[in-house]
Amino acid sequence: EAQVTQNPRYLITVTGKKLTVTCSQNMNHEYMSWYRQDPGLGLRQIYYSMNVEVTDKGDVPEGYKVSRKEKRNFPLILESPSPNQTSLYFCASSLDGGRTDTQYFGPGTRLTVL
Amino acid sequence: AQSVAQPEDQVNVAEGNPLTVKCTYSVSGNPYLFWYVQYPNRGLQFLLKYITGDNLVKGSYGFEAEFNKSQTSFHLKKPSALVSDSALYFCAVRLSGGFKTIFGAGTRLFVKA
Repeated sequence: EAQVTQNPRYLITVTGKKLTVTCSQNMNHEYMSWYRQDPGLGLRQIYYSMNVEVTDKGDVPEGYKVSRKEKRNFPLILESPSPNQTSLYFCASSLDGGRTDTQYFGPGTRLTVL
Repeated sequence: AQSVAQPEDQVNVAEGNPLTVKCTYSVSGNPYLFWYVQYPNRGLQFLLKYITGDNLVKGSYGFEAEFNKSQTSFHLKKPSALVSDSALYFCAVRLSGGFKTIFGAGTRLFVKA
């Protein structure tokens, strides 16, 4: 089954404790992206990747890191999480990132930073 | 600034009645517009998109959307709502010259039996 998977689905952590949220897709998509969803703000793009070893900042990249060492994986790293990063996070992928591309979303990761 | 607006936080409609979820945009160049739906505890799912051509776009689950260039709108519509349509709906636009996507804030649709 074609899908985007994220782990963990739920995470509660404390300020400053490094964490990684994994994202994997099995559709051989070149483009992958991370979003955060906050009430009243919709989805905001954090980072995206056009292909292996090619990443760029979205609208809200501060406090986040990403890497794309393999085509299928695109982990999101929070080196020193803070409470304002409490949010619902979604990973998405699409075929090649073209403007007509449809994005496929993972199930989401709900992160709480205390 | 380029943006997408969904002016209604919530839309309430009775089952069987037509529904409209509004979206307006402000982008440079030709817009590439999308609608996604989010059911509780799920990721977003693609409904439909406008790239070019016919202003009325048909999508999944009986939804359609009307692109209006003069009003810079892309409203989502369905002739007869179902209770199962209750969900959070997002309008999105792909920006030209890059790989960024801008989403609206979302509109929660409640369909009452």
